[in-house]
Amino acid sequence: QKEVEQDPGPLSVPEGAIVSLNCTYSNSAFQYFMWYRQYSRKGPELLMYTYSSGNKEDGRFTAQVDKSSKYISLFIRDSQPSDSATYLCAMTLTDSWGKLQFGAGTQVVVTP
Amino acid sequence: ETGVTQTPRHLVMGMTNKKSLKCEQHLGHNAMYWYKQSAKKPLELMFVYNFKEQTENNSVPSRFSPECPNSSHLFLHLHTLQPEDSALYLCASSQRATGELFFGEGSRLTVL
Repeated sequence: QKEVEQDPGPLSVPEGAIVSLNCTYSNSAFQYFMWYRQYSRKGPELLMYTYSSGNKEDGRFTAQVDKSSKYISLFIRDSQPSDSATYLCAMTLTDSWGKLQFGAGTQVVVTP
Repeated sequence: ETGVTQTPRHLVMGMTNKKSLKCEQHLGHNAMYWYKQSAKKPLELMFVYNFKEQTENNSVPSRFSPECPNSSHLFLHLHTLQPEDSALYLCASSQRATGELFFGEGSRLTVL
């Protein structure tokens, strides 16, 4: 069983729709949960992070963590063509931000 | 130059060649990392350097040899690679081992 599972997609949505992404994981010791965005031929960049369970909102982006279910989500409201990218979930133990366990990434395509 | 710079961006090599990947960070960070990204697979942590000292080797085959001469530069020396080593190699840096990762754009390696 992979430590972090993520549906590879592609996920195609029309402009303006809500994009819903999620990951499941097996290690209950993970404490920090991140979402990275990776454009084609670029390196990943950190979008958001959440510590332990709960929700976090940043503009059009909302991250949710449910540690009891070992399930994390990212929602993108009012999606734009510029949101077309691969979204990677990542997680780590306390104070080990450099040693991340990544999901395989979900490719998102937002069509005008 | 800003951020994390990787050269070359693309590399094709035969199985008997020796080549090196270079990474330079201009962020004043003191931790540097090599990650491997294969198609449809999660990013895999390969090596971690903290203040020029290697603190993590994630069971990487000896045909990959890292070198960190100072906190700003990181190399990955490659020799007698296998076709399955073809991947995107990403360098990253962070302020400390617990800080946010900043990735370069990667070096796309093809082994023939």
